[in-house]
Amino acid sequence: GAVVSQHPSWVICKSGTSVKIECRSLDFQATTMFWYRQFPKQSLMLMATSNEGSKATYEQGVEKDKFLINHASLTLSTLTVTSAHPEDSSFYICSARKTPRVDNQPQHFGDGTRLSIL
Amino acid sequence: EDQVTQSPEALRLQEGESSSLNCSYTVSGLRGLFWYRQDPGKGPEFLFTLYSAGEEKEKERLKATLTKKESFLHITAPKPEDSATYLCAVQNSGAGSYQLTFGKGTKLSVIP
Repeated sequence: GAVVSQHPSWVICKSGTSVKIECRSLDFQATTMFWYRQFPKQSLMLMATSNEGSKATYEQGVEKDKFLINHASLTLSTLTVTSAHPEDSSFYICSARKTPRVDNQPQHFGDGTRLSIL
Repeated sequence: EDQVTQSPEALRLQEGESSSLNCSYTVSGLRGLFWYRQDPGKGPEFLFTLYSAGEEKEKERLKATLTKKESFLHITAPKPEDSATYLCAVQNSGAGSYQLTFGKGTKLSVIP
């Protein structure tokens, strides 16, 4: 199997709060994990690529100081939305690729986190 | 820039009515094309990877095919439980971090 667990699945918080989302690969090691954002009826938009033991690579237009990513182990990556505001409300999804790296390996996705900022 | 266009945006089928979903892509070099299924409020579930033109893969009522410009997901005799959004994604052979570019998906509804 290739199970990716994402927690929490749903969070509501006040504007200005920081929120941490965890992404764990339960039955495999993942050198690389990805963080996406998805708006209703829209495609998954890649926010950043997270590599174990190194700094994340952010896509153009994504504020790295706003969306802090830590990939401290081969099974865990975290995304922290700092000082969240209503415009940060969205569906955040993580994915992971199995290690060792093999071309054409699929990404396996978590079930996403619905973030609502009041 | 890699581009993925899926059509139709939405598709309603009667149970047992076979059809196909289309994924047209533009990529400088294709490492792989991926099909995923996404249920509401869930993350995408991996279905298939296709690597080269002419390749086909099957899983239950689903069959994916690939040409140099597009991929088709054929659904034979669908059931209501096949209702979901189907996503297509490409991986560029130059993508050092194995990133995917996704289409917007086709929302399939199978009516009993």
